[in-house]
Amino acid sequence: DAKTTQPNSMESNEEEPVHLPCNHSTISGTDYIHWYRQLPSQGPEYVIHGLTSNVNNRMASLAIAEDRKSSTLILHRATLRDAAVYYCILRKDAGGTSYGKLTFGQGTILTVHP
Amino acid sequence: EAGVAQSPRYKIIEKRQSVAFWCNPISGHATLYWYQQILGQGPKLLIQFQNNGVVDDSQLPKDRFSAERLKGVDSTLKIQPAKLEDSAVYLCASSPLASGIETQYFGPGTRLLVL
Repeated sequence: DAKTTQPNSMESNEEEPVHLPCNHSTISGTDYIHWYRQLPSQGPEYVIHGLTSNVNNRMASLAIAEDRKSSTLILHRATLRDAAVYYCILRKDAGGTSYGKLTFGQGTILTVHP
Repeated sequence: EAGVAQSPRYKIIEKRQSVAFWCNPISGHATLYWYQQILGQGPKLLIQFQNNGVVDDSQLPKDRFSAERLKGVDSTLKIQPAKLEDSAVYLCASSPLASGIETQYFGPGTRLLVL
């Protein structure tokens, strides 16, 4: 499986934008870029995903580099509730042996200061 | 819509004892996953079911771990006998299908401590 590289930790102030980077230089053409986050003492939750184009939803935006070797998760206005571990994951479409599974790395611990 | 349910939420056992965890996925979800999350690490997939068939169990320690999904709905994960290194959070997740775009929905997890 292609690997992702994320910073171990990042800090932000409340109500400021946060840009969480992810490098995935060995990404293949069939890999989707997924982001999940895990709040303290909870299971992971889906944030956003994309393939080639930038994506927006109510939680965040995903900016994907033109060569797809990196991406950035953007939280437009961080709140204290956004403090979590953020995971960037490459996920193959169905049909391969990976069959859509999520392979989690260490993720980025985001701390939000009031 | 009800989420993924897991029980128990916490379990403390002694090594060499057995333990079982239960998961009820979101209604209608065909795919069910069990993950193990050791403190400080990301979740690791143990086993994946598509309906009641196993799709991937390559990282399941089959000498002590077993899992089943009867009738393609609920699932149980069993450890027998437990070791100290099995102390972890066991997460269950489900999705409508297994694909690169389907969202996985996670339960709250069962926190296991083996003494």
